[in-house]
Amino acid sequence: GAGVSQSPRYKVTKRGQDVTLRCDPISSHATLYWYQQALGQGPEFLTYFNYEAQPDKSGLPSDRFSAERPEGSISTLTIQRTEQRDSAMYRCASSSEGLAEEQFFGPGTRLTVL
Amino acid sequence: GESVGLHLPTLSVQEGDNSIINCAYSNSASDYFIWYKQESGKGPQFIIDIRSNMDKRQGQRVTVLLNKTVKHLSLQIAATQPGDSAVYFCAEMDTGRRALTFGSGTRLQVQP
Repeated sequence: GAGVSQSPRYKVTKRGQDVTLRCDPISSHATLYWYQQALGQGPEFLTYFNYEAQPDKSGLPSDRFSAERPEGSISTLTIQRTEQRDSAMYRCASSSEGLAEEQFFGPGTRLTVL
Repeated sequence: GESVGLHLPTLSVQEGDNSIINCAYSNSASDYFIWYKQESGKGPQFIIDIRSNMDKRQGQRVTVLLNKTVKHLSLQIAATQPGDSAVYFCAEMDTGRRALTFGSGTRLQVQP
């Protein structure tokens, strides 16, 4: 596609519910990243995929957070048993293959946990 | 839309002036650095990058300077325009790990 897209753009859920966020990277991009951005702060790294492999998930805050990219294209981020502290903007980015290529960010999903 | 950077340091400049935004980074293993611009309601947008084997890189109206000795990065914007108003983040990467670590951001306000 023309850019990175994410859905939904906004998600409101009740504490304890599970949510799944979706990212469609730029179609030619091998690498996909997930970040969490709190209001007034820069994005914080959660995890990344190189095709379908997930070499680094050290940024995931807890085992309630998981991510998948089974076919090396679309990715989902799932938060189980959501808590109010999970409320944030979740951003996806993608880059072409290479060590330090430019990351293109999507518009994000604003998650609010009530 | 979302409001980015409610309590960030703010740099206010007049249209046409040059702007300098500074950033200190923490990881001496970082070998790749990027400046991003984030407008309200949008994701971060790449501006310019620099690798650790360089100390200066120029783009269109922007220059990034890297001082590895004191772990300092700066972004210079020439002839600042109202469209440059946004929050600016520096980011660092240890390319062995690939994760970007973002700084805390600076809001640039351009007065017409």
